Amino acid sequence: GENVEQHPSTLSVQEGDSAVIKCTYSDSASNYFPWYKQELGKGPQLIIDIRSNVGEKKDQRIAVTLNKTAKHFSLHITETQPEDSAVYFCAASRWGAQKLVFGQGTRLTINP
Amino acid sequence: DAGVIQSPRHEVTEMGQEVTLRCKPISGHNSLFWYRQTMMRGLELLIYFNNNVPIDDSGMPEDRFSAKMPNASFSTLKIQPSEPRDSAVYFCASSSLAGGVGNEQFFGPGTRLTVL
Repeated sequence: GENVEQHPSTLSVQEGDSAVIKCTYSDSASNYFPWYKQELGKGPQLIIDIRSNVGEKKDQRIAVTLNKTAKHFSLHITETQPEDSAVYFCAASRWGAQKLVFGQGTRLTINP
Repeated sequence: DAGVIQSPRHEVTEMGQEVTLRCKPISGHNSLFWYRQTMMRGLELLIYFNNNVPIDDSGMPEDRFSAKMPNASFSTLKIQPSEPRDSAVYFCASSSLAGGVGNEQFFGPGTRLTVL
């Protein structure tokens, strides 16, 4: 089955700097890669996703890149703000399949 | 839109007691997922349903855990008997099977379970 590894487990950056979180997956048939953000006391919420027919996707300050050959994908947050502090999860699945396999999570802290 | 509703939000019980967690998915969604979150194991999928039918329960840790979905608007996760190692945050999530919508799962606020 699919296995998703996520690094780092914790990340601390200065406000205004960029943050990068990386994930690798094992199942070459996976073709859908979402990222979820979990704020304190809440459930995870989808912030961006990418399908394997594209290599990069942007939405304002966040972007995701995918290297299908190497089976890794990354989340990039630019111009970080205090409200970006949260736990971020990557996940992988096959498009149209219901089951997502999540990484272990990255606790991002933005220092003012 | 009310989102996914879970109850209770917090549950404290003693070892050996039965615990029932409840979930109401988003109206119109036909997939429902139960997850468990702990520091050690992260976010684990326990079981999921499509159209009220259990599809994959391979994540259910033991026979002490059971889940039901009697109709499209309600699901329960039951632990009987509960043990201290069951202490975790349990999330329910729902999504739509409709073609072209994708896999986005909408999570509820979670139930924090503490077993003493």
